[in-house]
Amino acid sequence: DAGITQSPRYKITETGRQVTLMCHQTWSHSYMFWYRQDLGHGLRLIYYSAAADITDKGEVPDGYVVSRSKTENFPLTLESATRSQTSVYFCASTGRNSPLHFGNGTRLTVT
Amino acid sequence: GENVEQHPSTLSVQEGDSAVIKCTYSDSASNYFPWYKQELGKRPQLIIDIRSNVGEKKDQRIAVTLNKTAKHFSLHITETQPEDSAVYFCAAKGSGYGQNFVFGPGTRLSVLP
Repeated sequence: DAGITQSPRYKITETGRQVTLMCHQTWSHSYMFWYRQDLGHGLRLIYYSAAADITDKGEVPDGYVVSRSKTENFPLTLESATRSQTSVYFCASTGRNSPLHFGNGTRLTVT
Repeated sequence: GENVEQHPSTLSVQEGDSAVIKCTYSDSASNYFPWYKQELGKRPQLIIDIRSNVGEKKDQRIAVTLNKTAKHFSLHITETQPEDSAVYFCAAKGSGYGQNFVFGPGTRLSVLP
């Protein structure tokens, strides 16, 4: 769905660097989520947000920081990237009584 | 919190046969159960969903059934085709804060020609 976009699609970074993954949605959905997807672990929730300036931890939040100053944007920052954070990251959004829609994903490699 | 289990982890069927994937959930207050299909290198996409006030829903070759008492729901694909080959995820929307979706670990379906 063109309504939720992630950037970049691919990113290679070095251990210890800070990297930010961007997520933008045009539906004015209240809820936004960040998931990581690794082989054997399915989709695991990192952080989510119920509205602007309201965020909360998910299942695997360590090493990540989020912010939500505007409803449409929900960036995810890795403050000091580690190899264990090599993964595919999906942003998603939903409104009340609507399905969860995913972005195209960002494939992050930490060397 | 909510926990979703999914079986089998892999499933191979002959083209034209049916495929069934089963999920169980733990939170009796969960009220929404979507199914997602993810092709290789792509995003998960919603294929069908069901709410807790409905027992069954069908969309062409795909159907989902829900048993609230047993806390399980199933995806049924009939007349499978090679393009049905993908990873399928079930999910449950829990009763906790916000709109938390908890996903099963996925089922890799292979449809053999």
